[in-house]
Amino acid sequence: AQTVTQSQPEMSVQEAETVTLSCTYDTSESNYYLFWYKQPPSRQMILVIRQEAYKQQNATENRFSVNFQKAAKSFSLKISDSQLGDTAMYFCAFMKSYNNNDMRFGAGTRLTVKP
Amino acid sequence: SQTIHQWPATLVQPVGSPLSLECTVEGTSNPNLYWYRQAAGRGLQLLFYSVGIGQISSEVPQNLSASRPQDRQFILSSKKLLLSDSGFYLCAWSSGPSGTEAFFGQGTRLTVV
Repeated sequence: AQTVTQSQPEMSVQEAETVTLSCTYDTSESNYYLFWYKQPPSRQMILVIRQEAYKQQNATENRFSVNFQKAAKSFSLKISDSQLGDTAMYFCAFMKSYNNNDMRFGAGTRLTVKP
Repeated sequence: SQTIHQWPATLVQPVGSPLSLECTVEGTSNPNLYWYRQAAGRGLQLLFYSVGIGQISSEVPQNLSASRPQDRQFILSSKKLLLSDSGFYLCAWSSGPSGTEAFFGQGTRLTVV
């Protein structure tokens, strides 16, 4: 079974600065998706960014970008120009790209953006 | 557009009482359905997933069970709740074998007292 590891339980960053959240995973699959989800205090899960493993180009969504290192099985999230609204739990997740009968999450990183 | 409904939002139940949480999806057919539990300050633990009516896979043997009586309905149940069943329960769906992400309900905060 796939496993996802987030080794940073908590992080903080000053408003307008950049922060990087780490994620590693373990799988024998060659095709899969990786995700970063955000869970604000409302507890609603919000998709931040998605990366398809067969694409070498790193995904970007406005201030959010990833550093995907397939060989190293590493998938970090970079948040640029951090805003107070970015304060949330961030979860890294893995899903097989075919017959995706499960989706695995890491333990999460609690990010606090300080004014 | 697709929507997912999960209820109730909050539930307080005594130890030993039964549980039924319901999740329904609209606007799609034959979704993959998931139940996750999130303990306080912890990650999401996959409890059950279903790829079709009546097809349930259990990830963690425990006091809970799941059923899928209809294509877009997923129910989480327990005959007798334990204190350790307290937590935040999330239902999610993805669009079958070719789905590219999961969509989540609003969650249910369960407190067993």
